[in-house]
Amino acid sequence: EDKVVQSPLSLVVHEGDTVTLNCSYEVTNFRSLLWYKQEKKAPTFLFMLTSSGIEKKSGRLSSILDKKELFSILNITATQTGDSAVYLCASNRDDKIIFGKGTRLHILP
Amino acid sequence: NAGVTQTPKFQVLKTGQSMTLQCAQDMNHEYMSWYRQDPGMGLRLIHYSVGAGITDQGEVPNGYNVSRSTTEDFPLRLLSAAPSQTSVYFCASSYLAGVTGELFFGEGSRLTVL
Repeated sequence: EDKVVQSPLSLVVHEGDTVTLNCSYEVTNFRSLLWYKQEKKAPTFLFMLTSSGIEKKSGRLSSILDKKELFSILNITATQTGDSAVYLCASNRDDKIIFGKGTRLHILP
Repeated sequence: NAGVTQTPKFQVLKTGQSMTLQCAQDMNHEYMSWYRQDPGMGLRLIHYSVGAGITDQGEVPNGYNVSRSTTEDFPLRLLSAAPSQTSVYFCASSYLAGVTGELFFGEGSRLTVL
């Protein structure tokens, strides 16, 4: 059975801190690893990772994939209150996109 | 730009009633899917479709039916609602999910089954 496991499930930090969110996966016929951000309503796409060791970056967010150890991390530097959200990791296997339970991140001002 | 449109946004049902959640997209996306989201559970895949006439089961398909007669529409049917189906339902679409990974989500439909 395919699995996507995120940790921690919840995290509270102060504005300006750097956070690292973790995602491990056990997926047959793995195609890609995805990160999404969910604020009040629907998730929005952040990154797709397909190759090990190649960092994807967007502003203060970055992510990397390790296909040997089957995990990915999402880093957020210099956090702001607007980064408060649920961050979802997902695996894509043969067009079947399976999500983890998410990490709820709360940034204190 | 409409994007992915879900209706209704809110619905209350009694146990045993049937209903259809509608999903329509105007982006000519081949891939469409339905998820349910419960507190602390992330998104769980119900059914998905890679094109008109093709559907497949996700992680939690029991109690739900889908069909894909057109590229634009992907309705989700609950034949006999149960309290365990109380959830927020999201429809999503993608041009090529396997290539881009980017799903475009509707705003969600909150369903309560009494």
